[in-house]
Amino acid sequence: AQKITQTQPGMFVQEKEAVTLDCTYDTSDPSYGLFWYKQPSSGEMIFLIYQGSYDQQNATEGRYSLNFQKARKSANLVISASQLGDSAMYFCAMREGGGSQGNLIFGKGTKLSVKP
Amino acid sequence: DGGITQSPKYLFRKEGQNVTLSCEQNLNHDAMYWYRQDPGQGLRLIYYSQIVNDFQKGDIAEGYSVSREKKESFPLTVTSAQKNPTAFYLCASSLRSGVEQYFGPGTRLTVT
Repeated sequence: AQKITQTQPGMFVQEKEAVTLDCTYDTSDPSYGLFWYKQPSSGEMIFLIYQGSYDQQNATEGRYSLNFQKARKSANLVISASQLGDSAMYFCAMREGGGSQGNLIFGKGTKLSVKP
Repeated sequence: DGGITQSPKYLFRKEGQNVTLSCEQNLNHDAMYWYRQDPGQGLRLIYYSQIVNDFQKGDIAEGYSVSREKKESFPLTVTSAQKNPTAFYLCASSLRSGVEQYFGPGTRLTVT
């Protein structure tokens, strides 16, 4: 079974609008972390936001926020006020276990295209 | 400035040849990782190392080898035993107490 599922292969959003990228996860470990990375066409992976399984508040970083619904096992990324530079692949990832080190398990990604 | 360097950006090899991909970091990170990315796919873990002179296999280690003789360096060798070596390879590092992994710019390997 897939541990990280991103059901949207591609998404379009109008510039300055908000967009939600979906991510569901599967784990039986009570302690885990959820990550979102952005991958522009150049290839590097850029860390965007992190949510710990015990965090009470949803994570926010500037225009990025993570809509964490633990019971539904979902960790959707919300990008507000989309910009042309937001066009990229977006990957959701999970790390299981309580330690700070561990392997990241990635979803297959969502390609976001921002229209002017 | 601090960061992770991977060289070269593009690498071409003939089938049957071993090839070594370089990964260097000056972030003083303890842990380093190698991932493979195929078109339309997420990243899959090949090997990781949490400390010098120690490393563990990831999900797809067959046909690859690594070494960790120095904290700053974690080279990956793609051997001739790897059946489908053409892919994008990403190196990452993290602090022992850190949350996120920092990634290098990647090496695109093409084997013909």
